[in-house]
Amino acid sequence: DIVMTQSPHSLAVSLGERATINCKSSQSVLFSISNRNYLAWYQQKPGQAPKLLFYWASTRASGVPDRFSGSGSGANFTLTISGLQTEDVAVYYCQQYFGSPRTFGQGTRLEI
Amino acid sequence: QVQLLQSGPEFKKPGASVRVSCKTSGYSFTYYGISWLRQAPGQGLEWMGWISAHNGNTNFAQKFQDRVSLTYDTSTTTQYMELRSLRSDDTAVYYCARDRDAYYDYWGQGTLVSVSS
Repeated sequence: DIVMTQSPHSLAVSLGERATINCKSSQSVLFSISNRNYLAWYQQKPGQAPKLLFYWASTRASGVPDRFSGSGSGANFTLTISGLQTEDVAVYYCQQYFGSPRTFGQGTRLEI
Repeated sequence: QVQLLQSGPEFKKPGASVRVSCKTSGYSFTYYGISWLRQAPGQGLEWMGWISAHNGNTNFAQKFQDRVSLTYDTSTTTQYMELRSLRSDDTAVYYCARDRDAYYDYWGQGTLVSVSS
């Protein structure tokens, strides 16, 4: 199985500042033929289902504010939230869909 | 709009089975597969398996291979997940999610399954 490791486990950032969450996979999730990274990011607020933020590592899902950005390739990825707002308090997960079983990072808790 | 509406909470004893439903709407049912995932209390997300709504093909995580069945009813656009031989560590919120190239763009609201004697 592909192991996804996120860092940090938790993060406290001031309003208006930048938050950076890292995700590392145990093997590359880049499919060379398509040059696509099989990596998604989700946001989960308390008591809610996860919400898709990015797919193909950096393609923003519909309705996601542009203060969110996804980057990286191969086995190292980053989710950046610029200009942090109170509604961004959540747990963030990365997920690989390169191999089966699909696997998630353990989550990063973002607080103000 | 796309919606996935799951059935209500279930309280089961060890050894029992549970079936969770996921009523879909707002998209062409047979065009997208559905994955089922779960989240134990205070824990992360775990993928259980996937079913194609086009031809019924399935793919499961190995740990669930022998205990999970995924089915659907095209006439009601409803997906089903059955988990057998329940144990206390199956206590979790179970989610259905629309599977888009194996990432998940729409999720159900979740169904709590609690297993306790």
